[in-house]
Amino acid sequence: QVRLQESGPGLVKPSETLSLTCTVSDYSVSSSHYWGWIRQPPGKGLEWIGSVYHSGSIYYNPSLQNRVTLSLDTSKNQFSLKLTSVTAADTAVYYCARDASGGPGDYWGQGTLVTVSS
Amino acid sequence: QAGLTQPPSVSADLRQTATLTCTGDGENVGNLGAAWLQQHQGHPPKLLSYRDTSRPSGISEKFSASRSGNTASLTITGLQPEDEADYYCSSWDSNLSAWVFGGGTKLTVL
Repeated sequence: QVRLQESGPGLVKPSETLSLTCTVSDYSVSSSHYWGWIRQPPGKGLEWIGSVYHSGSIYYNPSLQNRVTLSLDTSKNQFSLKLTSVTAADTAVYYCARDASGGPGDYWGQGTLVTVSS
Repeated sequence: QAGLTQPPSVSADLRQTATLTCTGDGENVGNLGAAWLQQHQGHPPKLLSYRDTSRPSGISEKFSASRSGNTASLTITGLQPEDEADYYCSSWDSNLSAWVFGGGTKLTVL
């Protein structure tokens, strides 16, 4: 059973950088899967942020790509998200997930709420 | 960013059948098919189907997905109270090189 757990600050100030890490258990991030981030503003729908592969291949949401950086650390079996210049619009529950071969996530973390506020 | 179109809400009677729809275009649903996810309040989404008709292991046969052209559908039979949830469709958009989601459909079981 693949397990994912998000970690990082729950409160970020406007204009600062949001940083989250997803720790994967019982499965290697070096396997043949992309690993992704999806967010969900309170009361709203899902928005894909991006996905990263151990080879270095990365895909970003075009609407966020100038502010987002994804990375993957095989030694720690983790992958990470950095989102710069955050505003209140970036307040959301952030999920990490393993991309399925035909869908955005067959295994998901529980999600972590990140609030952008001064 | 282009998204997929889902009706905001659908309702159906207990023990009956509900069909949810998701419309995209030839760059996403019509090209690489769709996936469906279920989300209960306060929980992460759960993948119900992918590549139009495939179901992950452990997903009940009461959930069946299909596609016709640029429109994907999810049919849920024998509705139970626990089927009340938000349902999202998603597809890989080959033009954007990105996963796109529908806005979600809230299913109410009457």
